[in-house]
Amino acid sequence: KAGVTQTPRYLIKTRGQQVTLSCSPISGHRSVSWYQQTPGQGLQFLFEYFSETQRNKGNFPGRFSGRQFSNSRSEMNVSTLELGDSALYLCASSPGSSGGETQYFGPGTRLLVL
Amino acid sequence: AQTVTQSQPEMSVQEAETVTLSCTYDTSESDYYLFWYKQPPSRQMILVIRQEAYKQQNATENRFSVNFQKAAKSFSLKISDSQLGDAAMYFCAYRRNYGGSQGNLIFGKGTKLSVKP
Repeated sequence: KAGVTQTPRYLIKTRGQQVTLSCSPISGHRSVSWYQQTPGQGLQFLFEYFSETQRNKGNFPGRFSGRQFSNSRSEMNVSTLELGDSALYLCASSPGSSGGETQYFGPGTRLLVL
Repeated sequence: AQTVTQSQPEMSVQEAETVTLSCTYDTSESDYYLFWYKQPPSRQMILVIRQEAYKQQNATENRFSVNFQKAAKSFSLKISDSQLGDAAMYFCAYRRNYGGSQGNLIFGKGTKLSVKP
């Protein structure tokens, strides 16, 4: 099976712009989670989608949003970008059926906000 | 709130030697899962090993094994016969078992492991 894919791999934006990141999960996986990774804060959970519904949400401002499509692909959107949004954004997928299942991560999208 | 602490920001090991990475966590839950993930310089996060809290037996995966001490809330990773390819950031993670598949991973800050030839 193909792994989790994320596009684009790199992005440069300026403050105030908005950005959309895409994640395609492993075939058959229905759960997609998003994490933000920064040197200062480490890995922080953004949100999780399962069957097109947001099931879990981290402590991020409303500028961060996401959605999931019927084919389980997910997008996350960040509006009104701030310098502090510069980070590696990781997407992870899992079957979505049990708490102990492994989350498989994509290679990430590196976002730089100037 | 649950927290995960990795007290060793950096570790170094000689090739073929054994190294242990430490992880402690804080939770009031009794049913949860613990994971070690590896993130090489290429950035793709890979699962190394997982442990179910209700299982007393320590998990092992080839050269990787854990020492799970539930009462002490400790979950260390031992890497035997270290190889150059083991060099990476290692993250300890916790996930509460909500009875379904809900529940996000809570990560520690990571330990950067260097392997010397």
